[in-house]
Parts: sequence; structure tokens; C-alpha cells
Amino acid sequence: AQSVSQHNHHVILSEAASLELGCNYSYGGTVNLFWYVQYPGQHLQLLLKYFSGDPLVKGIKGFEAEFIKSKFSFNLRKPSVQWSDTAEYFCAGRDNTGKLIFGQGTTLQVKP
Amino acid sequence: DTEVTQTPKHLVMGMTNKKSLKCEQHMGHRAMYWYKQKAKKPPELMFVYSYEKLSINESVPSRFSPECPNSSLLNLHLHALQPEDSALYLCASSRGLAGGPHYEQYFGPGTRLTVT
Repeated sequence: AQSVSQHNHHVILSEAASLELGCNYSYGGTVNLFWYVQYPGQHLQLLLKYFSGDPLVKGIKGFEAEFIKSKFSFNLRKPSVQWSDTAEYFCAGRDNTGKLIFGQGTTLQVKP
Repeated sequence: DTEVTQTPKHLVMGMTNKKSLKCEQHMGHRAMYWYKQKAKKPPELMFVYSYEKLSINESVPSRFSPECPNSSLLNLHLHALQPEDSALYLCASSRGLAGGPHYEQYFGPGTRLTVT
């Protein structure tokens, strides 16, 4: 069965620290991968997406992710986090019916 | 405009009530989705409509009844809900069900439902 897993459930960082959130997927075929963010009380927003081509994907708000096919990974990174990055982060893959398969989510807490 | 709107923002209903949630998009998207989300959990897919036809029903209880009156609108009719149905209900839309660039899902702000 297709699945997406996120290693870190709860991450606490100080402002200006670097961030890396892990995401692994377990299906073959065409790979479409996404990172979504959900700020407190707000809706899911698309941070970035990977469909093909350059495995290093740039997103909004200074986030980037690297698709590593050999490791089935799509980790999210940011060089320097801010307090405003406090949110829930979801990695998702898209299966061949168009459904999004979500990871369990990572709660990021950034201390000022 | 990449906005999906949902009404109402909050809804409190008793177990015998009938209510409806509404979702609207004007991006010309032909696929629309209903999700249920519990706190600190990922969204769970409920229904998918493609070109106004029900494409996927994830074995959702019949007390939830979706409707797609036209390509811009998606409703979720609620009847005889249980307290455990209290959750955030999210609507999303995408250009279609195909894969590839520009087919990502855009989410609405959700309706916070409380069943008493």
C-alpha cells in the first residue's frame, strides 16, 4: 500500500536555528510529492511541490525540499526559522487516482 | 484567485439536526474534495467529485451526504450526526484528478463542526 511517513512528530527550535523535517514515501511509479503547512487556526497552504526535474525544490517563505529517489525521501529544510514558522507541517504524496496520501504531520514550535 | 471559500466557519448542531456545509471555488477546477480533520492529525479524505460526478467515497457513513450542484459548488449535507463527528471539515479543489504540475489541491479554511 502507498504510504507517507514523517519521522519527527514534535520539533522545538529556537529562532535562527536550521530546520529539517523528514518525509519518506513508499510507492513506485510517478511520484508527486508536496509539503503543506497549517498555521494555528488557519487552512492548509501549499509550501512546495515536486513532480519531476530538478530534485531541489524551492517553495514559499524560504522553504526548500530535496527529492532523493534512492532514499525515497523528500525532506523539508529552512536555513533559519522564525517564530512565525510555528505550525503543523504535512508531507503528502499523490497516488494514481488523484488522492493525497498524508503523513502524520510534524508540530513545529519555534521559541522566540 | 486561488481561493476556496467555505461557509459557515463554525457550526454547532444537535444529533437530530439537519445542516449543510458549503464550499465554493472560482478557479475553474473540475475536481473537488471533502476532508475531515481532527486536531493535530492529517486530513482524512471523505469524498471526491470529478466533473460534478462522485468519483471516490471513502466508505463514509450515510449520515454524510455530498452534493455537487455545479462545477463551482460542493455541499455536504449532515443528518443525525454523532459527537465523534465533531471535527474540522475541509474542502479542496484541483484542476483535475490527473497528476503532474498545476494539479495540486487548494484547501479552504474549513468549517469547525461541533455535534452536541
